[in-house]
Amino acid sequence: DAGVTQSPTHLIKTRGQQVTLRCSPKSGHDTVSWYQQALGQGPQFIFQYYEEEERQRGNFPDRFSGHQFPNYSSELNVNALLLGDSALYLCASSNTPFGDRESRGYGYTFGSGTRLTVV
Amino acid sequence: AQKVTQAQTEISVVEKEDVTLDCVYETRDTTYYLFWYKQPPSGELVFLIRRNSFDEQNEISGRYSWNFQKSTSSFNFTITASQVVDSAVYFCALIRDSSYKLIFGSGTRLLVRP
Repeated sequence: DAGVTQSPTHLIKTRGQQVTLRCSPKSGHDTVSWYQQALGQGPQFIFQYYEEEERQRGNFPDRFSGHQFPNYSSELNVNALLLGDSALYLCASSNTPFGDRESRGYGYTFGSGTRLTVV
Repeated sequence: AQKVTQAQTEISVVEKEDVTLDCVYETRDTTYYLFWYKQPPSGELVFLIRRNSFDEQNEISGRYSWNFQKSTSSFNFTITASQVVDSAVYFCALIRDSSYKLIFGSGTRLLVRP
């Protein structure tokens, strides 16, 4: 049973360019969250997608956008890359059952991330 | 505002020593959930434990134990008889009942030397 799959594993981009990162959730999961982890820091929440819509967003500029597909996979797009966007981008999948209050945060499965370097 | 503080940036111990990782959190919510995750060098975050704010019972799982104290807003993690394989970065995290966002601390890097 595959866990969360992220691609690519590493990426080098130039300032000003655009990048797309991809995430396939764990089998049976329907919700995808994205986190940015700068070197030596804890992950920071970017946004969460459920039913192909952005359900909650963290404190990130509009340059960060996403999409969720009918098969629950997701993309993270970052436009006009800055040096400060260099980080490990983590995808987490989960399930949102009916009455999801008790499930909050439970069962988040993280991928190994995409290491983005902006030069 | 919600915040998680892990004051210990790095801890180094010799194998078989016990080690405690500290976590202090801030929230005004009455319902919230606390977590510990382990991040090995491969990068993925591995879930260790989840506690809700209504359950202050300490929990033990093998060599791992957790001490949740609402009076001091702390959720500390102890590894007994540490092993080299425990070397990793450990994160404490909080999620509010009204949110889907995990709020992480800055992490504690644990190095267990043989």
